[in-house]
Amino acid sequence: DAKTTQPNSMESNEEEPVHLPCNHSTISGTDYIHWYRQLPSQGPEYVIHGLTSNVNNRMASLAIAEDRKSSTLILHRATLRDAAVYYCVLFEGGSEKLVFGKGTKLTVNP
Amino acid sequence: DGGITQSPKYLFRKEGQNVTLSCEQNLNHDAMYWYRQDPGQGLRLIYYSQIVNDFQKGDIAEGYSVSREKKESFPLTVTSAQKNPTAFYLCASSISLTYEQYFGPGTRLTVT
Repeated sequence: DAKTTQPNSMESNEEEPVHLPCNHSTISGTDYIHWYRQLPSQGPEYVIHGLTSNVNNRMASLAIAEDRKSSTLILHRATLRDAAVYYCVLFEGGSEKLVFGKGTKLTVNP
Repeated sequence: DGGITQSPKYLFRKEGQNVTLSCEQNLNHDAMYWYRQDPGQGLRLIYYSQIVNDFQKGDIAEGYSVSREKKESFPLTVTSAQKNPTAFYLCASSISLTYEQYFGPGTRLTVT
């Protein structure tokens, strides 16, 4: 299975941008990069996904490296409600399933 | 409101008993999934279903069984053969296998 590597934890201040990195050096050409986030004792929430090009939506932006071996989730202005565990997940096109890692716990300071 | 419901939120069972976790969705999604999450870990796929009356094993299917008789429902049975059943169980659905997944609130199962 393709794997992702993320820092265990990160901190940010409220209203500042946050850049959450993810390495996926074994990604294949058909694997999509998904990001989900999870609050304690809740189900994960979809954030954004992409294949090759950078993507934007109302929640965040996804910047994908040209060689696709890494990506960065960008929260433009962190709020206290953004404190969660963020998972960078590969959707394996061949097996048609998501492969979750341990994620990054984001703490947002007021 | 459209969404995914899982019941109950907390479930307690004695060792050796089978237990069935409920998952219902009214999003009209074709694909449904079951994941298991242990403390401090990511999610691991147990079973998934692309359409009614069809399902496939995920990475950790041993000791679990599912059925998909209706589009809206995808119940998971944790059998006595599952060695470490205590965990947080999450159900999800998506339009199809290649689309983003929407998760339910989860069921925390404790077996003693």
